[in-house]
Amino acid sequence: AQSVTQPDIHITVSEGASLELRCNYSYGATPYLFWYVQSPGQGLQLLLKYFSGDTLVQGIKGFEAEFKRSQSSFNLRKPSVHWSDAAEYFCAVGAGGYNKLIFGAGTRLAVHP
Amino acid sequence: GAGVSQSPSNKVTEKGKDVELRCDPISGHTALYWYRQSLGQGLEFLIYFQGNSAPDKSGLPSDRFSAERTGGSVSTLTIQRTQQEDSAVYLCASSVGQHSNQPQHFGDGTRLSIL
Repeated sequence: AQSVTQPDIHITVSEGASLELRCNYSYGATPYLFWYVQSPGQGLQLLLKYFSGDTLVQGIKGFEAEFKRSQSSFNLRKPSVHWSDAAEYFCAVGAGGYNKLIFGAGTRLAVHP
Repeated sequence: GAGVSQSPSNKVTEKGKDVELRCDPISGHTALYWYRQSLGQGLEFLIYFQGNSAPDKSGLPSDRFSAERTGGSVSTLTIQRTQQEDSAVYLCASSVGQHSNQPQHFGDGTRLSIL
């Protein structure tokens, strides 16, 4: 069965520091992978997506993610974190022949000034 | 509006009552999804609509949950005889089509609290 694992429940970084959020997936075929961000009281906003081709994907708000098939990973990175990046981040895989998303449990990011 | 609209934004009701949650997808989006986000459970898929039909209802947790979509647009998620474990945020999403490479756009959700 398809699954997504986000090993880190909470991460705290200092403003200006670099960030990497981990995501591992389990899926038998070529996955469609997504990162979403959720601010308190709001829905999910798409940061970036991977379908095929270049394994380094650029997204909004300065985020990028790298697909590594050998490691079944799709880690999210940002070189310099801003206080406004504090939110919950979800990795997801598109499963099956239609657009059903399987989500990880999420990583809550706190940013210290 | 430009985005997915959900109403109400908050709903508090007593155990045993029925509730209806509404989702208005982005215009022209044929695919619509309901998810549930609860503490300790993360985001769970509930049901998927393509047009007015629901090819996948596999995520509905019990027969107290039902959903319909009319006119290929607005969808209503109904929970009958609510229980305390139904307390969660219910998120709706829509996408242009049903393929997995078409990103889903989410509403802000309905926060449901069962007393």
